[in-house]
Amino acid sequence: IAGITQAPTSQILAAGRRMTLRCTQDMRHNAMYWYRQDLGLGLRLIHYSNTAGTTGKGEVPDGYSVSRANTDDFPLTLASAVPSQTSVYFCASSDSLAGGPDTQYFGPGTRLTVL
Amino acid sequence: GQNIDQPTEMTATEGAIVQINCTYQTSGFNGLFWYQQHAGEAPTFLSYNVLDGLEEKGRFSSFLSRSKGYSYLLLKELQMKDSASYLCAVLDSNYQLIWGAGTKLIIKP
Repeated sequence: IAGITQAPTSQILAAGRRMTLRCTQDMRHNAMYWYRQDLGLGLRLIHYSNTAGTTGKGEVPDGYSVSRANTDDFPLTLASAVPSQTSVYFCASSDSLAGGPDTQYFGPGTRLTVL
Repeated sequence: GQNIDQPTEMTATEGAIVQINCTYQTSGFNGLFWYQQHAGEAPTFLSYNVLDGLEEKGRFSSFLSRSKGYSYLLLKELQMKDSASYLCAVLDSNYQLIWGAGTKLIIKP
């Protein structure tokens, strides 16, 4: 069982370019999340999806979009990258319908540099 | 606003005990999580508290006081592999996780 995978592992991108970060989970979790992590700051939620076909905005959604066509995949798209989007991006998932603590499980992250 | 406070960095000695504190002010409370994050890696789940008191799991314990908006993570018999950042996060009234900036724990031999 792979859990959550993310691709690419790292990327250097020119400002203004479009980029999609991929996230796939095989745990059949209903909920998925995208965070960014910057030095000195906590994880900040970009977008989330409680179930396939629905998405919602988190704390820092501007400049990002997501889709959730099926349970397993939750891609994050930067339509026109800017240097302030340089960060480490983590995808996470949880089984929020199962009861219990709704623990989030994280992918390995994508390190993105926008020049 | 919502706020999670934890010390930026702590240093401890191998074999010793260390307590990492977390205070929070959030809109609602539906539980508190502790995660461990080694440098360059993803956060991994350590513990969850929703009721007041101490939850023990091997060398790690986590305590919660909802009335004080306070939690701590206690690590016993420290090992070099415990060198990592420890993240405190609170599930708010909208069931979204609010994260602290993390505490970097340095273990010295």
